Amino acid sequence: GAVVSQHPSWVICKSGTSVKIECRSLDFQATTMFWYRQFPKQSLMLMATSNEGSKATYEQGVEKDKFLINHASLTLSTLTVTSAHPEDSSFYICSGTYSGYYNEQFFGPGTRLTVL
Amino acid sequence: AQKITQTQPGMFVQEKEAVTLDCTYDTSDQSYGLFWYKQPSSGEMIFLIYQGSYDEQNATEGRYSLNFQKARKSANLVISASQLGDSAMYFCAMRDIMDTGRRALTFGSGTRLQVQP
Repeated sequence: GAVVSQHPSWVICKSGTSVKIECRSLDFQATTMFWYRQFPKQSLMLMATSNEGSKATYEQGVEKDKFLINHASLTLSTLTVTSAHPEDSSFYICSGTYSGYYNEQFFGPGTRLTVL
Repeated sequence: AQKITQTQPGMFVQEKEAVTLDCTYDTSDQSYGLFWYKQPSSGEMIFLIYQGSYDEQNATEGRYSLNFQKARKSANLVISASQLGDSAMYFCAMRDIMDTGRRALTFGSGTRLQVQP
């Protein structure tokens, strides 16, 4: 299957700082990327959908000014958590898919964010 | 709107036995896909099996099979000959598979499976 990487795999930061998480499709061009958040012992919840070259579409309740998503190329999407607070501590997972292939999304390994 | 329900928060199974993880869904979409993912403690999401709403036969992938009952809106995962390495969280998910439809996955709450020696 296609490979998606995420960097960093884990990050610890102080409250009030910004953190950038990168999601890369290594062997395919991801026309659409998705960002999910998973709190401990809970399911994955979609945060936003981003199409290359377009503004991201955020799910209801997700603050677009706090979670900045950029999908500038077909292989890279970034999620920036601005002015992070302890309640933003979570596991963030991206996935990618490409046009014409509807059966599977390819997930990254996830990034564990801890805000002190 | 799509909804996935997994009613088993946790399941135990003896090694080498089969286990069924339940999943029911609700959707107004005519064409949709159903997925099962495995999430070990490392956190990565591992794709296991896919069933399309128009597929007449139940999907199988090695030791995994999907018991798809469209009229009952259920898509249960059957794992045969359980192994210790199968211990993980299992998520049922669905999405619209039309090109113009919502392509993000909707996940259930998950079932934690523990395989006992």
